[in-house]
Amino acid sequence: QSALTQPASVSGSPGQSITISCTGSRSDIGSSNLVSWYQQHPGKAPKLIIFEATRRASGVDSRFSGSKSGNTASLTISGLQVEDEAVYYCCSYAGSSVVFGGGTELTVL
Amino acid sequence: EVQLVESGGGLVQPGGSLRLSCAASGFSFSTNWMHWVRQAPGKGLVWVARIKKDGSITTYADSVKGRFTISRDNAKNMVYLQMNGLRAEDTAVYYCARDIDLSGWGPGTLVTVSS
Repeated sequence: QSALTQPASVSGSPGQSITISCTGSRSDIGSSNLVSWYQQHPGKAPKLIIFEATRRASGVDSRFSGSKSGNTASLTISGLQVEDEAVYYCCSYAGSSVVFGGGTELTVL
Repeated sequence: EVQLVESGGGLVQPGGSLRLSCAASGFSFSTNWMHWVRQAPGKGLVWVARIKKDGSITTYADSVKGRFTISRDNAKNMVYLQMNGLRAEDTAVYYCARDIDLSGWGPGTLVTVSS
């Protein structure tokens, strides 16, 4: 049950686009489309933004999109806004268990 | 509206036990897998356990296997986490989350393991 690998931090300016990668293995990301992404603001519970690798959760802005290729999943946020500043976590099923990435702190400069 | 509310957290000594509860409302509880996820202070999310809709299948993270037990009561729309043999490293906010995609989360309950 090894954690998925995410960059510790990314940054961008308002209006720009950023992509957060999430690298796993054939045992987790590479084995199914049950990959999801969560946004967490300080002191708040996580919020689902992407599920099944590419599908946006209900009510989530279309600026958020997900993709997957092989053992790597990615989250792209276009048209960055100040309110996007948060920590983002990827998550995947790994057989019968679930594994999260270490989280990526997004700073909107 | 989907609502999940955790309770039962608190301060416990190493080796002690605690039972967390999660009250669910606003969705068809008995048709959803349920999970517990924890987050140590200043750290990332760590999946703890999950339970199938009818309670027939449970799965645990290696770090809690044999010490924690997840269960549910579909008649009461409740999911539980019995935690035994608690260690300092179990200190965290514990969240319950619903469904395959962990699509809804509660606000969490803080568990502190310390002497």
